[in-house]
Amino acid sequence: SAVISQKPSRDICQRGTSLTIQCQVDSQVTMMFWYRQQPGQSLTLIATANQGSEATYESGFVIDKFPISRPNLTFSTLTVSNMSPEDSSIYLCSAPLNANTQYFGPGTRLTVL
Amino acid sequence: DQQVKQNSPSLSVQEGRISILNCDYTNSMFDYFLWYKKYPAEGPTFLISISSIKDKNEDGRFTVFLNKSAKHLSLHIVPSQPGDSAVYFCAALNRIRGYQKVTFGTGTKLQVIP
Repeated sequence: SAVISQKPSRDICQRGTSLTIQCQVDSQVTMMFWYRQQPGQSLTLIATANQGSEATYESGFVIDKFPISRPNLTFSTLTVSNMSPEDSSIYLCSAPLNANTQYFGPGTRLTVL
Repeated sequence: DQQVKQNSPSLSVQEGRISILNCDYTNSMFDYFLWYKKYPAEGPTFLISISSIKDKNEDGRFTVFLNKSAKHLSLHIVPSQPGDSAVYFCAALNRIRGYQKVTFGTGTKLQVIP
């Protein structure tokens, strides 16, 4: 299976700042996905990033807070803007590397003080 | 609205015995069901899947059973090994407007006791 990598693996940030998380897939994919896993919770889909068009956000998530870029078929970024402690989570990207399965990156553990 | 539910937050099993992890869902439009394993500080690792038109899929020590009438699936691990200790997520996939959407359950933490 293909490899998905994320940077940074973890970060500690101050309230009010922004962090951009990068996701790289070692094969070309049309769709990439961004998830959040809050402490003790399940994985929640933030948005779907389709190359060449605007990201599609799930209910409860907005572009101003979580802007996404998708400049090519192997790369995407998620920015967590104007952070607050409630944004402390693991952020994960994924890609459907076959028709019926999604594979995940290792995650970015974000702590906001 | 929790469409995929894992009602057992944790499970302890002796090494060598069978682990059975359960999952219920509400949406009959799901096409595939997936199981992921997650260690702390790592991303979820895909384990096994089953099509909604099947009732069983087996891969080595892992077998997934699907009961569509009950909207229930289960993952059997036999024999269980200490390295299987992790959080297991059940997930369901459907296609909306041509793209995949995966909905996750809340996870079950499995502890395999040596």
